[in-house]
Amino acid sequence: DQQVKQNSPSLSVQEGRISILNCDYTNSMFDYFLWYKKYPAEGPTFLISISSIKDKNEDGRFTVFLNKSAKHLSLHIVPSQPGDSAVYFCAAISYNTDKLIFGTGTRLQVFP
Amino acid sequence: GAVVSQHPSWVICKSGTSVKIECRSLDFQATTMFWYRQFPKQSLMLMATSNEGSKATYEQGVEKDKFLINHASLTLSTLTVTSAHPEDSSFYICSAPGAGARYNSPLHFGNGTRLTVT
Repeated sequence: DQQVKQNSPSLSVQEGRISILNCDYTNSMFDYFLWYKKYPAEGPTFLISISSIKDKNEDGRFTVFLNKSAKHLSLHIVPSQPGDSAVYFCAAISYNTDKLIFGTGTRLQVFP
Repeated sequence: GAVVSQHPSWVICKSGTSVKIECRSLDFQATTMFWYRQFPKQSLMLMATSNEGSKATYEQGVEKDKFLINHASLTLSTLTVTSAHPEDSSFYICSAPGAGARYNSPLHFGNGTRLTVT
């Protein structure tokens, strides 16, 4: 049972344009959401997070949007840069546990 | 920032042998560490929660006798894959929460260990 889903396995975007990565979840007990970036043969690195009491959090080129009613969140990267090319995982934590549940990841490729 | 060191980064072993993977928090103490496993093109799946000074908590479907976890100190957790078989070949990653309240402390991950069992 995949509680966190990223339905797009890959995304290709031109440099300078906006990248939008989507994530859906099923567990209504999730109250904190995170995005991680991962390069091959490395562990994930934290990118940005959002609490369920907010609907938007922005950090430089990265913005995460949360739609609780739709159980959907998205990560916007603008402008996209070639160095952003990586696999992006969304993850969620429920308020009664510290277990981080990951989505399946979306491979982003930013081309010149 | 907080760093988690994982060793080895890759290992090849023969079927039936055991492999130990170490996970260290380098500049902070971690009473809890998490072990994840990732198959190709799949999500990171939580295997177990390692608790300093007490038994690990395993996720459903994870064999505790096969994946031995020891968290003997506040900076070191080890995962031992016992009697490894080819189906155990995977990418294993450990992580630890940083200091402070959880909303301000996302998990810090090691670089992972690629295990190949021949």
